[in-house]
Amino acid sequence: NAGVTQTPKFQVLKTGQSMTLQCAQDMNHEYMSWYRQDPGMGLRLIHYSVGAGITDQGEVPNGYNVSRSTTEDFPLRLLSAAPSQTSVYFCASSWDFTYNEQFFGPGTRLTVL
Amino acid sequence: AQSVTQLDSHVSVSEGTPVLLRCNYSSSYSPSLFWYVQHPNKGLQLLLKYTSAATLVKGINGFEAEFKKSETSFHLTKPSAHMSDAAEYFCVVSAMQNAGNMLTFGGGTRLMVKP
Repeated sequence: NAGVTQTPKFQVLKTGQSMTLQCAQDMNHEYMSWYRQDPGMGLRLIHYSVGAGITDQGEVPNGYNVSRSTTEDFPLRLLSAAPSQTSVYFCASSWDFTYNEQFFGPGTRLTVL
Repeated sequence: AQSVTQLDSHVSVSEGTPVLLRCNYSSSYSPSLFWYVQHPNKGLQLLLKYTSAATLVKGINGFEAEFKKSETSFHLTKPSAHMSDAAEYFCVVSAMQNAGNMLTFGGGTRLMVKP
């Protein structure tokens, strides 16, 4: 199993550009989520999904869109990049949120100029 | 609502000495609690979890944590630090709430191990 994979590993954008961060998992997990990690703030939940076709907002959803057309894939779209979105982004999957381990991808380091 | 406070942003120990990373939480519901470790430029890896069974939880690499409901604490300990333990550690609380599950991360504690 590859686990949770994310692409790209690094990305530099200019303000106003859009892009999609890819996330895929091969563990047949229903739950998937996107976090951003900023120094001193831990990880903050952006969006999450409890199954194909179902998504919901987390703590910091503004400026991001998600969709979940398959169990395996959960892409994160930045609609119009802003410098405040400079961060490290992690995708995670799990059997559920409450009792079970989250499996994290290796992260995408995004810089918005 | 729930929250997690990691009381130290940085902890420095000498190799072979005990490690204590402190975590306090608040939750309106019966929580599950986790500790994750993140090595430089890596994703997060689960160290251990508490889900309302034994209050003393043993994890990987010799770490353990004790759930103390009266103190709303879930401190992480290890008897003897190793150089490979140098990393950032996150305490996480999870609880079923009206709208579903919510995971809340602490701000992280960076552990430095001196030779």
